[in-house]
Amino acid sequence: NAGVTQTPKFRVLKTGQSMTLLCAQDMNHEYMYWYRQDPGMGLRLIHYSVGEGTTAKGEVPDGYNVSRLKKQNFLLGLESAAPSQTSVYFCASRSPTLTEEELFFGEGSRLTVL
Amino acid sequence: AQSVTQLGSHVSVSEGALVLLRCNYSSSVPPYLFWYVQYPNQGLQLLLKYTTGATLVKGINGFEAEFKKSETSFHLTKPSAHMSDAAEYFCAVSTSGTYKYIFGTGTRLKVLA
Repeated sequence: NAGVTQTPKFRVLKTGQSMTLLCAQDMNHEYMYWYRQDPGMGLRLIHYSVGEGTTAKGEVPDGYNVSRLKKQNFLLGLESAAPSQTSVYFCASRSPTLTEEELFFGEGSRLTVL
Repeated sequence: AQSVTQLGSHVSVSEGALVLLRCNYSSSVPPYLFWYVQYPNQGLQLLLKYTTGATLVKGINGFEAEFKKSETSFHLTKPSAHMSDAAEYFCAVSTSGTYKYIFGTGTRLKVLA
């Protein structure tokens, strides 16, 4: 059972380049999230989705776009990367069932923007 | 609005000693509370959670936490630290029926031999 899988795990970009991070989950979860983790700042929500075809902004959405064309996939795009987007990105998913509140995380994607 | 405060960004304990990681929350509605652990170069995994019912919650690897409404706290404890407990720990708050989770800034636990 793979759970939540993120690709790629590592990437180095130059300022201005674009890229897409892919998150795939095999738990049939409705909710999916993209967070970034920076030292001393915990996890901050970038975008989230409550179902196929729907997305919404989190607390730090600027510079990122997302798409949820299939229920199992949630893509995070950077159109023009900036050094401030150097971070570790985590995808997470959860079931909307009220008794299953916890998030399931991927292993992270480490992005460096030069 | 909800918020989470983790006191101490770094905590060191000796192997075999008590582990106490502090988490205080703010929430205008009954909270759901979580502790996650992150080992180096890995994602976060759930240690334990409180939603409703018993206020003392037991999790994996011998950890437990107690929800204290009067103190707005959800501190994480383990009676005897093991070297394998060295990791970063995150407290998080949510509420029933919402998508939103608020994470604390994390506490890095170091276990000394």
